[in-house]
Amino acid sequence: GENVEQHPSTLSVQEGDSAVIKCTYSDSASNYFPWYKQELGKRPQLIIDIRSNVGEKKDQRIAVTLNKTAKHFSLHITETQPEDSAVYFCAGDTGTASKLTFGTGTRLQVTL
Amino acid sequence: GAVVSQHPSWVICKSGTSVKIECRSLDFQATTMFWYRQFPKQSLMLMATSNEGSKATYEQGVEKDKFLINHASLTLSTLTVTSAHPEDSSFYICSARTGSDYGYTFGSGTRLTVV
Repeated sequence: GENVEQHPSTLSVQEGDSAVIKCTYSDSASNYFPWYKQELGKRPQLIIDIRSNVGEKKDQRIAVTLNKTAKHFSLHITETQPEDSAVYFCAGDTGTASKLTFGTGTRLQVTL
Repeated sequence: GAVVSQHPSWVICKSGTSVKIECRSLDFQATTMFWYRQFPKQSLMLMATSNEGSKATYEQGVEKDKFLINHASLTLSTLTVTSAHPEDSSFYICSARTGSDYGYTFGSGTRLTVV
């Protein structure tokens, strides 16, 4: 089955700096890669996603890049703000199996 | 947008008792519902996939007789934790596909504490 690895597990940045979180996946059939933000005790919130036919996608301060050859994808947050502090999860979906496999999570702390 | 309503949001039960968690899709038909468990400071781990009208598919290591899943209609899926023990204490969350073009909607989660 699919295996998604994520790093770093914790990331501390100063307000205004950029944050980058990286994930790798094992199943070459995976073709959908969402990123979720989860606050304590809350449901995961989709912040951006990318499909395998696209190499990069951007939404304001958030961008995701995908390298299918290397089987890795990354989340980029620019101009970080304290409200960006949360746990971020990447995930992969093979489509055929129709289920999401989550990465291990990254705890992002944006300090003033 | 698509909404999945999950209840209860939290529950405390005594060891040995059973607890039922419900997930309802409010404005769409959820053919497939996914059930996850999340321990503190850990990731979401898929427990099982339920399809309306058929038996659930459990992930390796998940006891199907302990975690009973029922998906009797296109708008309701339930997870029953039977003979709960303290180690079952966790955050349980459901998720449904909202259409053919991917997209997953998550319930708000249930915090289960077994004492």
